[in-house]
Amino acid sequence: QTVVTQEPSFSVSPGGTVTLTCGLSSGSVSTNYSPSWYQQTPGQAPRTLIYNTNTRSSGVPDRFSGSILGNKAALTITGAQADDESDYYCLLYMGGGWVFGGGTKLTVL
Amino acid sequence: QITLKESGPTLVKPTQTLTLTCTFSGFSLSTRAMGVGWIRQPPGKALEWLALIYWNDDKRYSPSLKSRLTITKDTSKNQVVLTMTNMDPVDTAIYYCAHLIWLQFQFDYWGQGTLVTVSS
Repeated sequence: QTVVTQEPSFSVSPGGTVTLTCGLSSGSVSTNYSPSWYQQTPGQAPRTLIYNTNTRSSGVPDRFSGSILGNKAALTITGAQADDESDYYCLLYMGGGWVFGGGTKLTVL
Repeated sequence: QITLKESGPTLVKPTQTLTLTCTFSGFSLSTRAMGVGWIRQPPGKALEWLALIYWNDDKRYSPSLKSRLTITKDTSKNQVVLTMTNMDPVDTAIYYCAHLIWLQFQFDYWGQGTLVTVSS
């Protein structure tokens, strides 16, 4: 089965910009995979940030944006804030079902 | 306002069958384009999609778990039930149900999750 890959960890300075990526162990991510992105803080259910590659979910600030960069889906956070420190998961639609990436732990310091 | 809540046993023994119920409000699973899925998360680990059922009774399963999973809906009760057979300690996880709109392919509303521990 194809594995969805994410950076295990990333750090960003407050006010900085960071791009997290979501790839495939075999092949390229395209809009056909309808990538979505979720933010999860400890003890909480995930919250949708982006769906269908680049559509922000309701109430999500515009400093979160989604795109395809090269052969991967990407989540860019512009002007990182302390409360952006979370785990981030991408989700791809493939073969009629869904596969989550392994998640990226983002540290803001 | 869409809400979902998971219920079921907190502890199951190895080899037993797990039955979880997702009770929801704010939408109907008889309405076109609605779907409810199940996702789990072992302690300290990543999310894993398990199964989904659509308004038209179309059912989708994770290929790696398909032989062990069954998802059903009861539209009159606003419930979705997931059964998982032959439980093992590695199935210990928080189990979430979540709402999805067909063609948006996002799980936009989530339940709070329920922790299921598999132990003898």
